[in-house]
Amino acid sequence: NAGVTQTPKFRILKIGQSMTLQCTQDMNHNYMYWYRQDPGMGLKLIYYSVGAGITDKGEVPNGYNVSRSTTEDFPLRLELAAPSQTSVYFCASSEREGTYEQYFGPGTRLTVT
Amino acid sequence: GNSVTQMEGPVTLSEEAFLTINCTYTATGYPSLFWYVQYPGEGLQLLLKATKADDKGSNKGFEATYRKETTSFHLEKGSVQVSDSAVYFCALNPGGYQKVTFGTGTKLQVIP
Repeated sequence: NAGVTQTPKFRILKIGQSMTLQCTQDMNHNYMYWYRQDPGMGLKLIYYSVGAGITDKGEVPNGYNVSRSTTEDFPLRLELAAPSQTSVYFCASSEREGTYEQYFGPGTRLTVT
Repeated sequence: GNSVTQMEGPVTLSEEAFLTINCTYTATGYPSLFWYVQYPGEGLQLLLKATKADDKGSNKGFEATYRKETTSFHLEKGSVQVSDSAVYFCALNPGGYQKVTFGTGTKLQVIP
């Protein structure tokens, strides 16, 4: 049982480049989330999904896109990378909302220069 | 809106010292409250939770009590170990269609 896996672990992008952060979970969870973690700022929700084919914006969606074609996968796409997108990105999943815990992946550290 | 306020870190303690990390929240209704822990180089993992007033969550020697009257969920441990060194996040989930709100995290360093 791998839980939530993310690739890559580290990436350096040049301004204007694009990339996709991969996220996969093997717990058959309907809910999946993308967060970014900036120093001293806690976690900010970028996008979330309540099931295959259904996604919605979180608190900081600008500059990102997502898709959810399967229950397992929830990739995050960065178009035209900017230095402000330098951060650590975490994918998470949960069985349901409310009292249910979220399971986090190990994170992707992205630097845009 | 909803918010979570945690004490500033880093917190540095000697091994076997008593730990308290303060957390207060603002939310309408009766949110569920969580403490997550992040070890170096890893993602967050749930440490404990409480879903209603006066509930006490506990795990690995850590405890926190849901205090509605003071809107608090302080994390405590009687005797910390070096292996407890990590960043601790307080979080709330208001339920319904609202999403989880995380605090900014408190870094704990335990020295031998």
